[in-house]
This record gives sequence, C-alpha cells and structure tokens, in this order.
Amino acid sequence: GAVVSQHPSRVICKSGTSVKIECRSLDFQATTMFWYRQFPKKSLMLMATSNEGSKATYEQGVEKDKFLINHASLTLSTLTVTSAHPEDSSFYICSAGPAPGTSSYNSPLHFGNGTRLTVT
Amino acid sequence: KQEVTQIPAALSVPEGENLVLNCSFTDSAIYNLQWFRQDPGKGLTSLLLIQSSQREQTSGRLNASLDKSSGRSTLYIAASQPGDSATYLCAVVLGGQNFVFGPGTRLSVLP
Repeated sequence: GAVVSQHPSRVICKSGTSVKIECRSLDFQATTMFWYRQFPKKSLMLMATSNEGSKATYEQGVEKDKFLINHASLTLSTLTVTSAHPEDSSFYICSAGPAPGTSSYNSPLHFGNGTRLTVT
Repeated sequence: KQEVTQIPAALSVPEGENLVLNCSFTDSAIYNLQWFRQDPGKGLTSLLLIQSSQREQTSGRLNASLDKSSGRSTLYIAASQPGDSATYLCAVVLGGQNFVFGPGTRLSVLP
C-alpha cells in the first residue's frame, strides 16, 4: 500500500531557531499533502493544504509566515517552523493522497508517523 | 461548521471483551467516514473507511457502522486484545479531501 515517510520523528531545538520537517510519498505522486498539528490528548487540527507547484492554503488562525510550507515536487512537501517558541512544541503529522486512480470518496489518506517537536 | 465528537474519551477493559466506540458528527453532508488507530507518539493507521452510501464495513475483528442521517458511527471491536490498546480516531471527509477529526478514544486492554 501507499506509504508516507515523515522525517525527523523527533526534534529538539532552542527557542528562536527554525526547524524543517519533511513529508515524502514513497510510492505514488501526491499532488496534495496536508499538514496537521496535534496537542496532547487533543484531536488533529488541519494546519494547511499543500499543493504541488502552488502556494499552500492555510486554515484560519494558522500563521503562514511562521509555518512555511513548500511543495516543490510531487513526492515531497516540507513544513518549516520559523523562529520556534515553546508554544510551538507539538506533534506534527503530514498526510498525502489519495493515490492516482483513486478518490477521497473511496480511498483513505495515508499518514506519516509524525514529528514530535520540542522547543526549549 | 462540522464538529466530530467521540465517546468515551477513555476506556479500560479486560482482555477478551467486546467493545463499542462511538463517533458523532453534526453535518451529514460527508463523503465518507474513516476510523484510524494511533499508537503513542506515532502517526495514524487507517482501519476502516465507510463511504457515505454504505452502512458498515468489516475488517477482521473490527466492524464499523455508519448512520449518516443521525450523524453517528460506531466501531465495534470483538474479543479485544492487549495489542488493541491505542487511541482510536474517527474522521469525516468533506469535499476537497478535507478531514475533520474527533478527539479520539484512548483504549487500554488489560491482560
């Protein structure tokens, strides 16, 4: 089945630095990737929709200048948390899909394993 | 605005029990509903997908039902095992691949 790889799985950084998280679709071309954020014991919240070759679409309340998304190819999307602060510490998950030839009506999205970001 | 809730928030059962997890959503205009499993600190694994025109889906010991008109879905786990311990999330899919997730049910199956 389709696989989405997310890297790194864990990252600790100092306040004020920037962190880049990569999301790759390994065996299919994903024209659309999604970035989610999950707070402890809370549900996933969609941050932005990343479309290959165009600007990402951000959800209301998400700072686009802080969370930079680049979808430069059909297999790679990156999320960069700029000037990170402790309140940015969270679990970030990407998803991709549906795979070509399927639709979101009958095919599940595929999720990466997430990145645990800790800002000290 | 679509809202998804899940009951119970947490559940602890002895091994072997059959159990039901509940998911409710406010807007019946959905493409499909999916159930996911999330292990601590990990990503999501898709368990079952029910299209809006379907009533239920089964995979092994898992059975998910969908009543779109009432805005409800249930995930039935038969003969629970310690390896089933995880957080179970339901999500409704709106148009444009837009997911809305519930807060999850944390399941602990005790040996």
